[in-house]
Amino acid sequence: AQSVAQPEDQVNVAEGNPLTVKCTYSVSGNPYLFWYVQYPNRGLQFLLKYITGDNLVKGSYGFEAEFNKSQTSFHLKKPSALVSDSALYFCAVREAGGGNKLTFGTGTQLKVEL
Amino acid sequence: NAGVTQTPKFQVLKTGQSMTLQCAQDMNHEYMSWYRQDPGMGLRLIHYSVGAGITDQGEVPNGYNVSRSTTEDFPLRLLSAAPSQTSVYFCASSYSGTQNAEQYFGPGTRLTVT
Repeated sequence: AQSVAQPEDQVNVAEGNPLTVKCTYSVSGNPYLFWYVQYPNRGLQFLLKYITGDNLVKGSYGFEAEFNKSQTSFHLKKPSALVSDSALYFCAVREAGGGNKLTFGTGTQLKVEL
Repeated sequence: NAGVTQTPKFQVLKTGQSMTLQCAQDMNHEYMSWYRQDPGMGLRLIHYSVGAGITDQGEVPNGYNVSRSTTEDFPLRLLSAAPSQTSVYFCASSYSGTQNAEQYFGPGTRLTVT
């Protein structure tokens, strides 16, 4: 069975500092990995995805994520955080060839402070 | 494009009542799905559809029915509401059942069952 873990319920960072939101996954085969962001009282918005190829994936709003197969991780990063980045972030995984189910993590609340 | 729309935004039901949550998309997406979001549990897949006339169960299908008579619409029916179904419900779609496709989410329906 596929699964996703987001070990931190909340991450606090000062504006202008780099941020990292952690995600680890478990699948039997190759993974398709996704990051989504949810602002208050809104639906989820797609940020970026890893399918294959370059381990560093760039996405919307200056976010990027690094796929690490040996550590089964897909951490979300941004070099310089903004207060407007404060939101709930979800990592999700789907196993390649494993069907249509997309499994989400429990979410990490990012708070960027001045 | 309106994207993915959901109605109603809010709903309060009494235990035992039935209702239908509406979802529509105007992007000609083949794949549509319903999730529920509960605190600390991320998003869990209820039902999904890979095209008109085709539906399948997700992770937590009990108490819910779906149908897909058109590409655009994917309603979710609660047969006999229970307090355990109090949640925020999200509909999502993607351009195909391809496993590496990102999903587009609606704004959600907040349901309370008393």
